[in-house]
Amino acid sequence: AQKITQTQPGMFVQEKEAVTLDCTYDTSDQSYGLFWYKQPSSGEMIFLIYQGSYDEQNATEGRYSLNFQKARKSANLVISASQLGDSAMYFCAMIPRYQGQFYFGTGTSLTVIP
Amino acid sequence: EPEVTQTPSHQVTQMGQEVILRCVPISNHLYFYWYRQILGQKVEFLVSFYNNEISEKSEIFDDQFSVERPDGSNFTLKIRSTKLEDSAMYFCASSEGGADYNSPLHFGNGTRLTVT
Repeated sequence: AQKITQTQPGMFVQEKEAVTLDCTYDTSDQSYGLFWYKQPSSGEMIFLIYQGSYDEQNATEGRYSLNFQKARKSANLVISASQLGDSAMYFCAMIPRYQGQFYFGTGTSLTVIP
Repeated sequence: EPEVTQTPSHQVTQMGQEVILRCVPISNHLYFYWYRQILGQKVEFLVSFYNNEISEKSEIFDDQFSVERPDGSNFTLKIRSTKLEDSAMYFCASSEGGADYNSPLHFGNGTRLTVT
């Protein structure tokens, strides 16, 4: 069974500081993709960053980076230089190769404090 | 940038009624999905659709639900005989690669369904 765990229901960070949102996953598949999504209070789901299981380098997209530790099955999202607009719900997701669905974690609510 | 569009943005219906939620996926995408999110909770998979047929469905997706791609652009979710617990945000999503695990899901803005 595939499982995504986000252990931090809520996080606070000071504006301009960096923050790490944790994600661990459980899969028996060797090939899979890991994704992070942002859901602001307006409700839409915004794709942030992707990491493939065979990618040796950590993914980066602007202020977002993914700290991928395959042996520990963790895919933490790092947001650098937090901005007020980063306040949102963040979901970690995984799709094992050859499967038809993405699995989502329960999300972490991030609040950026001015 | 191409996007997934969903209509309506909000639907209110009475218990027992049928609703159809509509989606237009991104045009060159081949894999389509419906997810739902009960307020403030987890994003739950309902169904995936490829090549005009369901490729995978969850235990939530029972006989009350059906999906259809009636033409080359629309993708619909029908909920028959709605129940109070069907109240949720329903997201349509599409991806280019589907089982290619490097293709992200692109979500629509969702339809908030309220069953009274």
